[in-house]
Amino acid sequence: GAVVSQHPSWVICKSGTSVKIECRSLDFQATTMFWYRQFPKQSLMLMATSNEGSKATYEQGVEKDKFLINHASLTLSTLTVTSAHPEDSSFYICSGLFLAGGHEQYFGPGTRLTVT
Amino acid sequence: AQRVTQPEKLLSVFKGAPVELKCNYSYSGSPELFWYVQYSRQRLQLLLRHISRESIKGFTADLNKGETSFHLKKPFAQEEDSAMYYCALKPPASGSRLTFGEGTQLTVNP
Repeated sequence: GAVVSQHPSWVICKSGTSVKIECRSLDFQATTMFWYRQFPKQSLMLMATSNEGSKATYEQGVEKDKFLINHASLTLSTLTVTSAHPEDSSFYICSGLFLAGGHEQYFGPGTRLTVT
Repeated sequence: AQRVTQPEKLLSVFKGAPVELKCNYSYSGSPELFWYVQYSRQRLQLLLRHISRESIKGFTADLNKGETSFHLKKPFAQEEDSAMYYCALKPPASGSRLTFGEGTQLTVNP
């Protein structure tokens, strides 16, 4: 099946610093990837759609200058949380869109970000 | 804008009992509906989608357009069904963007 990995699985950073999260499709090409945010015991909230070779499309209310998304290849999308604050602490999940698989999203295991 | 509602955050049943996880949605057109499952310490994965009309792990879900519902059912729950279940909606021509409900934590007791 289609597999998506994320790195790192957890990260702790200090307020004001930036942190990069990688999302890779391991055995398929994902021209489209999605980034979600999940607060404890809450649902997944779509942050942005990442398209290979073009700018990401952000959902309403998501600051694109704060959450920088780069999708430079067909297997890698990165999310950079810039000038992180404690309220950015969350679980970030990415998914890759597997076109050959009926346009199904395959999800990564998530990255736990803690900003101190 | 579309919305997905799962009224029960927690649902607890005994092994062998029937289980129904409720999902209601609001969308004016004809969306595609999904159920995703997340077992403990595992990633989110697709359980079933309404267009497939199939039964996965004994679960079925029927799209009721009149009631705008997509409830997930299983006649005899098993302990291994304990997990977090999310209902999701994808509008047509949305670029595959999903809107998730808040999830229902199902616990099947022995």
